[in-house]
Amino acid sequence: NAGVTQTPKFHILKIGQSMTLQCTQDMNHNYMYWYRQDPGMGLKLIYYSVGAGITDKGEVPNGYNVSRSTTEDFPLRLELAAPSQTSVYFCASSKGGNTQYFGPGTRLTVL
Amino acid sequence: TQLLEQSPQFLSIQEGENLTVYCNSSSVFSSLQWYRQEPGEGPVLLVTVVTGGEVKKLKRLTFQFGDARKDSSLHITAAQPGDTGLYLCAGDTGGGNKLTFGTGTQLKVEL
Repeated sequence: NAGVTQTPKFHILKIGQSMTLQCTQDMNHNYMYWYRQDPGMGLKLIYYSVGAGITDKGEVPNGYNVSRSTTEDFPLRLELAAPSQTSVYFCASSKGGNTQYFGPGTRLTVL
Repeated sequence: TQLLEQSPQFLSIQEGENLTVYCNSSSVFSSLQWYRQEPGEGPVLLVTVVTGGEVKKLKRLTFQFGDARKDSSLHITAAQPGDTGLYLCAGDTGGGNKLTFGTGTQLKVEL
């Protein structure tokens, strides 16, 4: 199993541009999450999904959108990127218990 | 929004020293987890504590959940350079679907 994979690993975006961060898991987990982490800090929940077709907002959803058309994929869309969205983005999945499995992260810079 | 405050925020110690990291909240959690994150990677689960007063040991690491299930501590005995990383606590308010992450403790263990 590859676990949770994220692409791209790094990206530089210009202010006002849009992009999609990809996340795929091969563990057949129902629950998937997107977090952002600013340097040396904890993780803040952006959006989460409890299954295909079901998504909900987390703590910091503004400026982001998600979709969950399949169990495996949970892409995160940034619309009209702003410098405040410069961060490291982590995707995670869970089978419904406590343990979340994290991907390696996408380091995004908005200039 | 539940807040999990960790202290200290930064800790730099010599190999062989002992240390304790604290995770405090005014909210009650059904369970609490500790993760370690190394540079450039996603967090990895170390332990989950569920019962108030519970103590779990993982080699040189000792985790305790407060009696009221509002706080937790992580104690490392005889720290080694391999313990270097960002330590994150995360609380589950119920259901196991969403975690609230702490502010993080950056630990550096030097030779």
